[in-house]
Formats: sequence, structure tokens, C-alpha cells
Amino acid sequence: DTGVSQNPRHKITKRGQNVTFRCDPISEHNRLYWYRQTLGQGPEFLTYFQNEAQLEKSRLLSDRFSAERPKGSFSTLEIQRTEQGDSAMYLCASSLTRGIYNEQFFGPGTRLTVL
Amino acid sequence: AQTVTQSQPEMSVQEAETVTLSCTYDTSESDYYLFWYKQPPSRQMILVIRQEAYKQQNATENRFSVNFQKAAKSFSLKISDSQLGDAAMYFCAFQEGGSQGNLIFGKGTKLSVKP
Repeated sequence: DTGVSQNPRHKITKRGQNVTFRCDPISEHNRLYWYRQTLGQGPEFLTYFQNEAQLEKSRLLSDRFSAERPKGSFSTLEIQRTEQGDSAMYLCASSLTRGIYNEQFFGPGTRLTVL
Repeated sequence: AQTVTQSQPEMSVQEAETVTLSCTYDTSESDYYLFWYKQPPSRQMILVIRQEAYKQQNATENRFSVNFQKAAKSFSLKISDSQLGDAAMYFCAFQEGGSQGNLIFGKGTKLSVKP
């Protein structure tokens, strides 16, 4: 078990370009979460999946953001027409819903810089 | 909406001493979980300790313990015998919807440990 992995670790892009991030959860974890963390702030919830179904989306997730989790395994987060305000660390977490408690395990994050 | 407040942006402690990080939260729910996460520089977030709201007994994990005051909606973290490796950002987090919801984080407290 290598934990939650995210790729790329860093991404620099120009305003207006599209970017896609990937998250590979811990195997057999059925829940997958995306968070965004800006400088000096705690992570903010964006969306989560149970298996392949996207169950909840935050109001922070504008129309330019889309997330998928095909076949309930890895997940991708795409940002279209990036803006400077999208610059942040994007964190992925996974958990296994079993019993009354599920601990979320976080990946190292993808740091996005929009020039 | 639930909110989490960490009023100490930065704290400092001498190695081997004890430090307490503060956290308050606001919710109308009666069933929830509270967490402290540690985020070392350039490394992924890891869970330090959790507390179930229905439990009166304060959680303890080795050198880490919490003071959970449900009526006051307070959840502080005490680190005993501080070590250099404890230096990190510490985030207090609230989990809504029982154990299945997303996490709501505070802004964090940066802990420095002086040798």
C-alpha cells in the first residue's frame, strides 16, 4: 500500500489554458474527495465520489471545474480556462466506508500556478 | 453552516515542553467528529487524533491529547514533550453528517519547535 498518489505534483500554466490532475486512491477505498488549499488557508471541500458516483459538489466548484472517477478507481479533476484565482494546492483524499467511522487519507497534492 | 476557527496563526514551543493549540467550532448537529491534522512542510497531511462527539472521554494518542468541551464547542490539542519533528501546520477539522461527510477545516496554526 503506497498511499494516495497525485500527479503531477506541480503544474504551471498560462491563464486560459486547461489543466487536468489525477488522483490514485488507496486501493479498495470507495470514497474519494477533492479539496483546494490556498495560501494561508485550510483545505476547502470541492467534491466527493462514492465509487464512480459524484455525490456532492461544493459551490466552490464552478462550471469550469469537472471531476470524474471512471470505474470507481482513479479520479481526474479538470479546470477549463484557468484563471489566476485558481492558483492553489489541490488535495485528494480517500477513505473506506466501513463501520461508523472512515478516516480520510490525503495525497501530497498538486500545486497549480496560473500565470 | 458549520465553521471551524483557529485563533492562533502561529505558536512556538521549546523542545520537550508542552504546547496547547486552540480550536472552536460552530454547529447545530449533535453527532459529529472532530480531528486534528498535521501538515509538515511540503509533505502530505496526516491524522493526529480524532474525537467522537458522543464520547465524553477526551481522546489520547501517545504525546497528543485533546480537551473536548462540547457545550463550549471547544476542541484544543495538547502536545506533550514536544519534538523537533512536531513542527508543522496543524489543522482542526469538523466532519458533518456523522462519519460520512466531507471535512471542514480551520485556517491552521503554524507550530515551531525550538531546540
